Amino acid sequence: GAVVSQHPSRVICKSGTSVKIECRSLDFQATTMFWYRQFPKKSLMLMATSNEGSKATYEQGVEKDKFLINHASLTLSTLTVTSAHPEDSSFYICSARSATGTHGYTFGSGTRLTVV
Amino acid sequence: GENVEQHPSTLSVQEGDSAVIKCTYSDSASNYFPWYKQELGKRPQLIIDIRSNVGEKKDQRIAVTLNKTAKHFSLHITETQPEDSAVYFCAARSNNNAGNMLTFGGGTRLMVKP
Repeated sequence: GAVVSQHPSRVICKSGTSVKIECRSLDFQATTMFWYRQFPKKSLMLMATSNEGSKATYEQGVEKDKFLINHASLTLSTLTVTSAHPEDSSFYICSARSATGTHGYTFGSGTRLTVV
Repeated sequence: GENVEQHPSTLSVQEGDSAVIKCTYSDSASNYFPWYKQELGKRPQLIIDIRSNVGEKKDQRIAVTLNKTAKHFSLHITETQPEDSAVYFCAARSNNNAGNMLTFGGGTRLMVKP
């Protein structure tokens, strides 16, 4: 089946630094990538939607300059948390979808970010 | 935009009993409703889904029903087992002009007691 590889699975960084999270579709072309944030014991909140080669569309309340999304190829999308603060600590997870939707919504394994 | 409400937030059942989780959605244009099972620290796993042109779908012990008129859909798990214990999320697919996004319900923590 469709697989999305997400790295790193865990990262601890200092306040003020930036962290990059990668999601790669291994066996299909991820035309669209969705980036979610999940707080402990909470639901998945959509942060942004990116289509390959286009600028990402951010949900209301999500700072586009803080959460930089790049989707330059059909198999790779990245989320960079810039100038991270402790309140950015969370579980970030991507979900990829092909143009035809054949593989549905395939989730990455998630990244637990801790900012100290 | 789409809004998905999910109930209950926690559900405790005895092994072998049935469990029912209900969701409502607001966008009548939503046309795809998946259910996900998520274990702690893991990715959501699709367990069953239903499209708006179908009223019911079953896969072994799991079934989903959809009432388009009332805009609600439900997950039914029969003969529950301890390994069914997890957090379950419903979702509805709508369009945010950037793509067909999924909006998730708040989740239900299911505990199956042996």
